[in-house]
Amino acid sequence: AQSVSQHNHHVILSEAASLELGCNYSYGGTVNLFWYVQYPGQHLQLLLKYFSGDPLVKGIKGFEAEFIKSKFSFNLRKPSVQWSDTAEYFCAVPYNQGGKLIFGQGTELSVKP
Amino acid sequence: GAVVSQHPSRVICKSGTSVKIECRSLDFQATTMFWYRQFPKKSLMLMATSNEGSKATYEQGVEKDKFLINHASLTLSTLTVTSAHPEDSSFYICSAKGGTGGDYGYTFGSGTRLTVV
Repeated sequence: AQSVSQHNHHVILSEAASLELGCNYSYGGTVNLFWYVQYPGQHLQLLLKYFSGDPLVKGIKGFEAEFIKSKFSFNLRKPSVQWSDTAEYFCAVPYNQGGKLIFGQGTELSVKP
Repeated sequence: GAVVSQHPSRVICKSGTSVKIECRSLDFQATTMFWYRQFPKKSLMLMATSNEGSKATYEQGVEKDKFLINHASLTLSTLTVTSAHPEDSSFYICSAKGGTGGDYGYTFGSGTRLTVV
């Protein structure tokens, strides 16, 4: 069964700094991976997703993630963060093909203006 | 795009009463809906999976008699918190899964903040 973990619990950055949030998954077979963002007081929004093909996935708002099978990782990156990126970020994986989504612990990102 | 409407967004109820939360897929048929609970500064904890026309599947440790889930149609699932207590206060989020093909589309509702006093 799939599981996913996020090791960064709270990240604090200044504007224009580069961002990388870690996500590691446990399953070695076919894997689908998601990154979601939850802005303060708002609902979850999909940032990007990986199903197959190019391991470098581009998402909305300048975010990207790279699927590295050998490292069981799907880290989220952004070259230059903005204050408006302050939010909670969740990595997620379906429990099985097309099944329930299992979320990582979440990473709180605080961007200082 | 796919939209999921969750209602109410906030509810305050007295201890011992029941509260119903609705989750509707507005522009697609959701064969499966999921109910999550989110504590402050914490991740989303899956409570149950509901499939239209069948009984919900609850995650381990979730009381099925306390959290009643009904998925009577392809566009509506409800979560009823029965005999609510202050420890049930939380943020409840539904997610609907619909469509076909390899793009496993999960759409989330905006959540319901439940406060039991």
